[in-house]
Amino acid sequence: AQSVAQPEDQVNVAEGNPLTVKCTYSVSGNPYLFWYVQYPNRGLQFLLKYITGDNLVKGSYGFEAEFNKSQTSFHLKKPSALVSDSALYFCAVSGSGTYKYIFGTGTRLKVLA
Amino acid sequence: EAGVAQSPRYKIIEKRQSVAFWCNPISGHATLYWYQQILGQGPKLLIQFQNNGVVDDSQLPKDRFSAERLKGVDSTLKIQPAKLEDSAVYLCASSLDLGRPSGANVLTFGAGSRLTVL
Repeated sequence: AQSVAQPEDQVNVAEGNPLTVKCTYSVSGNPYLFWYVQYPNRGLQFLLKYITGDNLVKGSYGFEAEFNKSQTSFHLKKPSALVSDSALYFCAVSGSGTYKYIFGTGTRLKVLA
Repeated sequence: EAGVAQSPRYKIIEKRQSVAFWCNPISGHATLYWYQQILGQGPKLLIQFQNNGVVDDSQLPKDRFSAERLKGVDSTLKIQPAKLEDSAVYLCASSLDLGRPSGANVLTFGAGSRLTVL
């Protein structure tokens, strides 16, 4: 069965420090992995995706994510957090031969000044 | 380019009443999705259209929810009769299909329609 887990409801980090938001997945076949961000009273916005190729993918606003097949993980990272990064982050998974997106429950990132 | 438009942004109704939400996707986007996002949860796919056809509606409560996509463009999601547990944000998204693999499409979301059922 296709699933995605975000084990942390909230992550707090000081401004300027590196941040990591965790995501693990389960899917048949090759995974397609995505990160979306949701700001208050706004729709979800695409950040980055992994389809194939380099395990480290770079996306918008300085975010990157690392695909780890053996650990079935796709953690979101940023070297230096900004207060403006505070938002709700969703990991999503699809699979080769399917178009159905499954979203995680979300992780609220709070960057403290 | 214009984004995904949704209306109304907010709706308050009493249980057993009906409600309809409208979505206009980005021009040229063949695939349209309706998601339900309950507070504290991730979005749950209700129905997915490709042009006029339904490609997935396995999680749509068909006894009370219905959706249609007119001429492969606009879409309407209806709830009748509403229940308290239908209180949620209803998100519409669309994607530009770039061929296989279709699962690799990036979704563009609208701002959502917040429903409160009293």
